[in-house]
Amino acid sequence: DTGVSQDPRHKITKRGQNVTFRCDPISEHNRLYWYRQTLGQGPEFLTYFQNEAQLEKSRLLSDRFSAERPKGSFSTLEIQRTEQGDSAMYLCASSLVQYGYTFGSGTRLTVV
Amino acid sequence: EDQVTQSPEALRLQEGESSSLNCSYTVSGLRGLFWYRQDPGKGPEFLFTLYSAGEEKEKERLKATLTKKESFLHITAPKPEDSATYLCAVQARAGNQFYFGTGTSLTVIP
Repeated sequence: DTGVSQDPRHKITKRGQNVTFRCDPISEHNRLYWYRQTLGQGPEFLTYFQNEAQLEKSRLLSDRFSAERPKGSFSTLEIQRTEQGDSAMYLCASSLVQYGYTFGSGTRLTVV
Repeated sequence: EDQVTQSPEALRLQEGESSSLNCSYTVSGLRGLFWYRQDPGKGPEFLFTLYSAGEEKEKERLKATLTKKESFLHITAPKPEDSATYLCAVQARAGNQFYFGTGTSLTVIP
C-alpha cells in the first residue's frame, strides 16, 4: 500500500494520560500536514511540515500538543495531559507540491 | 478571513435523481478549490482540484464547476454507492493550509 498510513486507527485513553500518534506519508512527498476533525465538522488545520521543518502551526495547537518529523519522513503527534475535548479524528495528509493532499484514514481518539 | 460554507447540510436523493451541492467561499487570493469524498470512519478521498473561474472537471457521475464565489458539485444519476459526505476546501495563495467546509452528507436511496 503506497498511501498515507496512520497508527493506531483507534485509541481510547483516560483523561490526563499522554498519547502519541504516528503518520507515514507517501514516500516521495516532502510536505506533511496534521488536521483534526470532530463529528459533523470539516477537518481543521493543526500543523504543517516541509521535510523536517515545522513551518506552520495553528492556534488550535495548544502547548499540550507537539508534532515532530525527524529526518523528514514519518511524523508523530503527541498530546499531553489529554482532555475530553481532545476527542476527535486526527488526520494526516501528505503532498509533493502545494496542492493535492492525500489523506490517511485517521486515528480516532476517545478520551474517557 | 478565509472561510467555506457548504449547502445543503444533508441531501437525500432517489437513485437516478440528479442534483447539485454548493460550496461558497471567501478567500484572499485563491490558489485552489478542492472537493473530497469522505466515508464514515475514513479519511477524505481526493476528487477534484479547480484553480480558476470557469474551470470544470468530471469524473464518472460527478462534475465540479467553479466561479469567483462558489463551486458546484453536480451529481448525475447517482447510485447508492455515491452516498458519502462531500467536503469542499480552499487554499489561499499565501499559506499552506486548507480551509474546509462542514460538508454535505449525501444519501442515495435505491
